[in-house]
Amino acid sequence: DAGITQSPRYKITETGRQVTLMCHQTWSHSYMFWYRQDLGHGLRLIYYSAAADITDKGEVSDGYVVSRSKTENFPLTLESATRSQTSVYFCASTHSTGTDTQYFGPGTRLTVL
Amino acid sequence: KQEVTQIPAALSVPEGENLVLNCSFTDSAIYNLQWFRQDPGKGLTSLLLIQSSQREQTSGRLNASLDKSSGRSTLYIAASQPGDSATYLCAVTFTGGGNKLTFGTGTQLKVEL
Repeated sequence: DAGITQSPRYKITETGRQVTLMCHQTWSHSYMFWYRQDLGHGLRLIYYSAAADITDKGEVSDGYVVSRSKTENFPLTLESATRSQTSVYFCASTHSTGTDTQYFGPGTRLTVL
Repeated sequence: KQEVTQIPAALSVPEGENLVLNCSFTDSAIYNLQWFRQDPGKGLTSLLLIQSSQREQTSGRLNASLDKSSGRSTLYIAASQPGDSATYLCAVTFTGGGNKLTFGTGTQLKVEL
């Protein structure tokens, strides 16, 4: 189906483990984004990518790594999960920033014990 | 610092009432402003996108206005329905900020029968 998907939808892990959250979009959008949503903070940008092999840090990038070898995929890796990374993670994409709507995936709820 | 603020944080209204949600931003140098809807446990759905050169956008019972000079936007919902109950988020793409969305913390709306 066309759209933007995230997997897994729910994940429980332990402190110190590596976790990768997947994001896939079928529109061939150039730009992709990762946000986290926490009570009291709203949505905050973790990383974004303007095209394959081009990524840049957002507001809260410490402890996270991204890659974008293919236009349609934008995985987010927590190298060594901490409890403060317990959150809901949203992936988004858009054809062109500044003029176009961002389309969001359904989110991944991550719990770090 | 470029910030987006939404007031009130929560709002409860009876069915059929017309209502206004408010969004303010600290820097008038913007590309666009978007209003999103988020249902509990779900992702974000784009409602309206207003470019910096526009004053308002309409979709069905929704009307969003933009006043860059005062740093304000409003989302007007006409004849509210229980199905409108959700959290409404305002997000701004500031120029000179790498074309990233900055979100407000949202207004949680409940429309009661």
